[in-house]
This record gives sequence, C-alpha cells and structure tokens, in this order.
Amino acid sequence: EAQVTQNPRYLITVTGKKLTVTCSQNMNHEYMSWYRQDPGLGLRQIYYSMNVEVTDKGDVPEGYKVSRKEKRNFPLILESPSPNQTSLYFCASSLGASGETQYFGPGTRLLVL
Amino acid sequence: QKEVEQNSGPLSVPEGAIASLNCTYSDRGSQSFFWYRQYSGKSPELIMFIYSNGDKEDGRFTAQLNKASQYVSLLIRDSQPSDSATYLCAPLGGSNYQLIWGAGTKLIIKP
Repeated sequence: EAQVTQNPRYLITVTGKKLTVTCSQNMNHEYMSWYRQDPGLGLRQIYYSMNVEVTDKGDVPEGYKVSRKEKRNFPLILESPSPNQTSLYFCASSLGASGETQYFGPGTRLLVL
Repeated sequence: QKEVEQNSGPLSVPEGAIASLNCTYSDRGSQSFFWYRQYSGKSPELIMFIYSNGDKEDGRFTAQLNKASQYVSLLIRDSQPSDSATYLCAPLGGSNYQLIWGAGTKLIIKP
C-alpha cells in the first residue's frame, strides 16, 4: 500500500530532551516536507526537501533540524524541545515539486512539558 | 494581512444544498491553487486544483478562480454529511515556491 508513515503518533516529552520524529514514504517520491498545524494558524511549513541531500527552510524552521540521506526517509529532529513546539506535526511527500499532489502521513501529536 | 484568508466557520449547510467555500490570497505571483479536505483528527487530502481563471468541475466539486480579484472558491453541490470537514485552501507561491496554507473553513452538513 502506497503510504507515508510517521512515528511516533503521540509523544509527551520534557523541555530540552532531544527527540526525533521519523517519516518514511514508499512511493519513490522526490519531494518531502514537514508541517506543523496549530489551531487557527493552519499548516506551516518547517522544512522541505526536493531530493536526497537537498533540504531547505520553510516558514518556521527555528528549533528544528532535518536530514535527507535517502529518498524514502525524512526525519524531523528537535534537539532541545520547548513548550512552544507543542503541536500536531505532519510529514508529506509528492512525486515532484510542491505543486504536485502531496500525500500526508497520519500526523504526530507532540506535547512538550 | 494574512497571505491566505479563509473564513474559519463553522459554515453550516443543509444536506442536499450547495456549500460555498471562499479563499483570498495576497501573492499575485501564485499560479496554482489547491483545495485539501481534512477530517477531524485526520491528515489533509487533495480534493482538486485549478490553474486557469474560470471554473473547473470534478463530480460534485467545482473550483472557481479569479486571479484579478485574487480569489478562489470551492463549491460542493448536493452536500452530504460525509462532506463535513475542514477545507484548506493552498496557493502555490511565495519566495520559495511552496504551498501557502490557509487556516481552513470548517464545514458542517446538517442532515
């Protein structure tokens, strides 16, 4: 089944404790992206990647890191999480660029205490 | 001014009626426009996209685009309770040519 998977789906952590949210797609997509979704603010892009080893900042990259060492995986790293990073996170992928249909993962709900 | 404006709703529409969802955007350079649907607790999924001025129909859905007015809309005919969801408008544009997302309009279809 073609899909984007994210793990974990739910996470409660404490300020400053490094964490990684994994994202993997099995559709051989070139483009991958991370978003956060907060009430009233909609989806905001954190980072995106046009291809392996190519990543770019989105609108809200502060406090996050990403890597794209292989096409299928695009992990999101929070080196020192803070409470303002409490949010719902989505990973998405598309065949080509951002303007093609994006397929979203199921989301990761993060609570930073 | 937000880059993409949508009425947050909720917009309540009787079953069988036409639901009209509106979106305005500020980036005149945007050329492509996407509508995604997001059910509560789920991830967004693409409904349709539109590139050219005018109307584009896909089943019960019609997207309308007016670039001069920087306005895009989504009409849902014969609304069904299963259409109850939040609808996200997303023009493609900005300095890095990415999707710019509206906050969404919550639609409720009343049986």
